[in-house]
Amino acid sequence: QVQLVQSGAEVKKPGASVKVSCKASGYTFTSYGISWVRQAPGQGLEWMGWISAYNGNTNYAQKLQGRVTMTTDTSTSTAYMELRSLRSDDTAVYYCARERESGGSSYWGQGTLVTVSS
Amino acid sequence: DIQMTQSPSTLSASVGDRVTITCRASQSISSWLAWYQQKPGKAPKLLIYKASSLESGVPSRFSGSGSGTEFTLTISSLQPDDFATYYCQQYNTPTWTFGQGTKVEIK
Repeated sequence: QVQLVQSGAEVKKPGASVKVSCKASGYTFTSYGISWVRQAPGQGLEWMGWISAYNGNTNYAQKLQGRVTMTTDTSTSTAYMELRSLRSDDTAVYYCARERESGGSSYWGQGTLVTVSS
Repeated sequence: DIQMTQSPSTLSASVGDRVTITCRASQSISSWLAWYQQKPGKAPKLLIYKASSLESGVPSRFSGSGSGTEFTLTISSLQPDDFATYYCQQYNTPTWTFGQGTKVEIK
């Protein structure tokens, strides 16, 4: 069965960077793109970006351009999301999600809480 | 970026009610719209993709309709398990966006 398993919770200081991993199993990794979505405490869902696991092409949300980098390692079927210059308003649960044919995200990781605090 | 506006923000309903949530796009997105259900502390769950296609395993009381800029999610007979927050998401453009969410509460 399809599974996305994310790395554990992180606590970071303002200005630092965080890199969250998302290990996929149960399907051919390079056949589907991976999106990253975050949710600040008590807030709605925010789409961060998407990466093709086939060729590494990316699309990022405009507000995060320059601070976010998404990559994949096809040898380990793992996607990564790095966010730099962290601020307190980056405190959120970060999710990876696998796309389905015809759109939408069918499978989601369990979420990774990133807390930014001095 | 395309803006997605959901209404209402909160909806109070009873078990058995027919519930409709609306999502409007700031420009045409054809049928490139998904609906998700999210419960507290859990990841979102895909309900509908391509505006009206039911995801496998999702109960048939959920349905989606619309195209262009106006879309609806309908729950034909609200069940206790359906009290949750619902989000629409457009994926027409290279940058995708979610609506702000609609919380369905017990009346």
